[in-house]
Amino acid sequence: AQTVTQSQPEMSVQEAETVTLSCTYDTSESDYYLFWYKQPPSRQMILVIRQEAYKQQNATENRFSVNFQKAAKSFSLKISDSQLGDAAMYFCASKPSNAGGTSYGKLTFGQGTILTVHP
Amino acid sequence: EAGVAQSPRYKIIEKRQSVAFWCNPISGHATLYWYQQILGQGPKLLIQFQNNGVVDDSQLPKDRFSAERLKGVDSTLKIQPAKLEDSAVYLCASSLRLAGAGSGNEQFFGPGTRLTVL
Repeated sequence: AQTVTQSQPEMSVQEAETVTLSCTYDTSESDYYLFWYKQPPSRQMILVIRQEAYKQQNATENRFSVNFQKAAKSFSLKISDSQLGDAAMYFCASKPSNAGGTSYGKLTFGQGTILTVHP
Repeated sequence: EAGVAQSPRYKIIEKRQSVAFWCNPISGHATLYWYQQILGQGPKLLIQFQNNGVVDDSQLPKDRFSAERLKGVDSTLKIQPAKLEDSAVYLCASSLRLAGAGSGNEQFFGPGTRLTVL
């Protein structure tokens, strides 16, 4: 079974500054993936970044990077040089790498964090 | 590459009526998912298909919800009869495959259908 917890319902940041969104997870799977998805008000869910749990190196995608602490089961997202277009709901999610057992490779989402970017 | 298509984008119905949503996944994607997203919450998986077979429907309220994916491409999700608590956004997603290593199991989402039950 998987659970994903985002403890920050809302966050705000000034344009051009840096913000970090928190996420903790729990899983019984030995190998899994972690994701951050962005959902703007238009509702289209977009993948921001992914991390393979067996990789120790933190993933980065341009202004987005993660801090993956496997032992602590923590997976935070850092957005650098924040832009007005970054304003959205951000979801942390986990997925087993295998489709066996009862997980069926299911993607489990956290509750989301609303990010506001101030000009 | 075209994304996941969904229709309609919005639907308003009275309780006890029926409604159907349609999804066309990305070409070549074997796995298709339907999620329910209640306002202010994360998406909850309802059902997932691998080609035209159901992989997991454990969270689908089968007394009122049904879904099919004929020919392993398009899919429809139906609610009959609808209840007030079914008001939500219904998201369809697809991925190249169900699981395994690499990026092929990443899910791509459609724009969703916002359902309002009065």
